[in-house]
Amino acid sequence: GAGVSQSPSNKVTEKGKDVELRCDPISGHTALYWYRQRLGQGLEFLIYFQGNSAPDKSGLPSDRFSAERTGESVSTLTIQRTQQEDSAVYLCASSLVAGGFSYEQYFGPGTRLTVT
Amino acid sequence: QKEVEQDPGPLSVPEGAIVSLNCTYSNSAFQYFMWYRQYSRKGPELLMYTYSSGNKEDGRFTAQVDKSSKYISLFIRDSQPSDSATYLCAMSGAGATNKLIFGTGTLLAVQP
Repeated sequence: GAGVSQSPSNKVTEKGKDVELRCDPISGHTALYWYRQRLGQGLEFLIYFQGNSAPDKSGLPSDRFSAERTGESVSTLTIQRTQQEDSAVYLCASSLVAGGFSYEQYFGPGTRLTVT
Repeated sequence: QKEVEQDPGPLSVPEGAIVSLNCTYSNSAFQYFMWYRQYSRKGPELLMYTYSSGNKEDGRFTAQVDKSSKYISLFIRDSQPSDSATYLCAMSGAGATNKLIFGTGTLLAVQP
């Protein structure tokens, strides 16, 4: 079966431009997560979506970052007015939820963002 | 102090060696513990998933959790060059979000 897919795989943008990153979760996985991985660092949680519940945005580093999810499928992460410190790999993960519990998270290949 | 500490390595071992990877953590609320393997320019791949204290074995991999010491380990037996990757520990509490808190990862190189 298909795993989590992300697009684009690589994105180079100029400082100040807006970018949009896309994630397609595993079919049937109602929970979706975005993480950021800076060079030489672990993954940092950004945002979490689960069904129709309000998203957990507690990890978003600034108001330049936002994300949306359409139902229980595709999600987009938008970064406005990109800065050089936004350069990182942005990873999406999805998981099954049952009985209010989120199971193992499966990751996509990531989008490598470079801000010049 | 970070919630999860992990030695970044790099760790270089000969093929066939037993590898020990470790993480310590400070948040006693963590209940779920995972190890992910990440190859260069790929997304993390789930290797082991354990709940609370104890051991779990899967083939050449054994995960250990000691909640009293806030210490988790991953052992790789008969290491292979294909095991060369970055190993990330991750953990979460019992909250509804289940967001993962990751270590920085340990870079492992298994020399043929």
